[in-house]
Amino acid sequence: GQQLNQSPQSMFIQEGEDVSMNCTSSSIFNTWLWYKQDPGEGPVLLIALYKAGELTSNGRLTAQFGITRKDSFLNISASIPSDVGIYFCAGVSGSARQLTFGSGTQLTVLP
Amino acid sequence: DAGVIQSPRHEVTEMGQEVTLRCKLISGHNSLFWYRQTMMRGLELLIYFNNNVPIDDSGMPEDRFSAKMPNASFSTLKIQPSEPRDSAVYFCASSLWPAQETQYFGPGTRLLVL
Repeated sequence: GQQLNQSPQSMFIQEGEDVSMNCTSSSIFNTWLWYKQDPGEGPVLLIALYKAGELTSNGRLTAQFGITRKDSFLNISASIPSDVGIYFCAGVSGSARQLTFGSGTQLTVLP
Repeated sequence: DAGVIQSPRHEVTEMGQEVTLRCKLISGHNSLFWYRQTMMRGLELLIYFNNNVPIDDSGMPEDRFSAKMPNASFSTLKIQPSEPRDSAVYFCASSLWPAQETQYFGPGTRLLVL
């Protein structure tokens, strides 16, 4: 089946630093999504991208849908302690519009 | 607004026992997804429903797993008999067709099979 390669697997950063993570695939996706999962909770949708080349922001978060439709990145600016969690990318393809999830990036923000 | 509700939040059972996980969709949503999350395999889609009808159950691991939607707002995922390798966090998510990509996840059920 389709697979998403998400990197890095984990990140340790200082509060105030910017963060960047990305997802790549050998397959084309029609939609890219970024979710955040806090400990003990389910994933929460952060940003949805629907067009190749699209750049979308949500507060300090910015995500882009790659031109080739095979990749996406998420940037977090000026990180704060509550940014801690696991960030997942997800791609949607086909008429069934099912989500394929990346393996996640564990973000730790050090004070 | 009430989000997706799952119960129980935690379940510990012995191998061979039947386990039933429950999910209540967000009011007005008509698509329901069951996922399993493990360290080894990440988030995997098990099955999803549109308007109470199972559309794709290719992710269901084996016949020990079954899912139903007895009505438009409620679903169950049953494992019978349970095995230790079923230990995982099980999430359900709901969405409003056709915007299936915008899924809202419940808090999950943490299942431990001893």
